[in-house]
Amino acid sequence: SAVISQKPSRDICQRGTSLTIQCQVDSQVTMMFWYRQQPGQSLTLIATANQGSEATYESGFVIDKFPISRPNLTFSTLTVSNMSPEDSSIYLCSVGLAGNNEQFFGPGTRLTVL
Amino acid sequence: GDSVTQMEGPVTLSEEAFLTINCTYTATGYPSLFWYVQYPGEGLQLLLKATKADDKGSNKGFEATYRKETTSFHLEKGSVQVSDSAVYFCALRRGSGNTGKLIFGQGTTLQVKP
Repeated sequence: SAVISQKPSRDICQRGTSLTIQCQVDSQVTMMFWYRQQPGQSLTLIATANQGSEATYESGFVIDKFPISRPNLTFSTLTVSNMSPEDSSIYLCSVGLAGNNEQFFGPGTRLTVL
Repeated sequence: GDSVTQMEGPVTLSEEAFLTINCTYTATGYPSLFWYVQYPGEGLQLLLKATKADDKGSNKGFEATYRKETTSFHLEKGSVQVSDSAVYFCALRRGSGNTGKLIFGQGTTLQVKP
C-alpha cells in the first residue's frame, strides 16, 4: 500500500486568491492523480501527473486554472488559481503502485472559498 | 463515454439488516470494477475490487460480483453494523494495471441505526 499525506487539510480562502495543495507519498510512484469532490457529489478526475512530463488534463479542466507540478516521484502540488466560490470542494491526491491494480487516496484538502 | 450509475441514497437500515447497493456501468471492453468507502471525516478507502467477469470481490463481510451480462457490480452485505455507516462509491477503470483513470458513480450514503 501507499501512505499519502496532503497539506493543508483544510483552508478557507478569499475569492480571487490562489491555494497550492501538496501531496507527499511514502514511496516512489510513476503516476499521481488529482481529483475533485464537490459538495454532495462524486469524484471527478482533474488531471494525471507524471514525473518529468506535463500533466494531462481532463475535459473541463485547464492548466491555467489548475497548474500542477511533479518535481519527483514522491511529491506533487496542485494549485487552484483565481478562486471563486464554485471551487469549494475536497481535492484529493491519488497514486497507483507498479504491479498493483489499486489506486490509493490521500485524506483530501477541504477548500472553502468565500 | 464510460460511466457508472449507483442507486440513489440515502439508504437507511437497522442493524443486522441485509444491504444491497446497486451499481451498473457503461464501458467498452473489460474494465476493472471497484467499491470505495468514505467513512465520516475520513479519506477514500478501497473496499473491494474485481478485474474480470464473474470475479467476486470481498472484504469486511461485503461482496460484489462482476456481472458482464448485466454490466453490474452490486454491493451486498448480509448483516450491517452501525460502523458500516458511510458513503459508498462504485468505480470503474479501463485498461490493466493502475494507469487508467477511475470513473466514479455518484455515491450512496448508508446510515445504519442501532
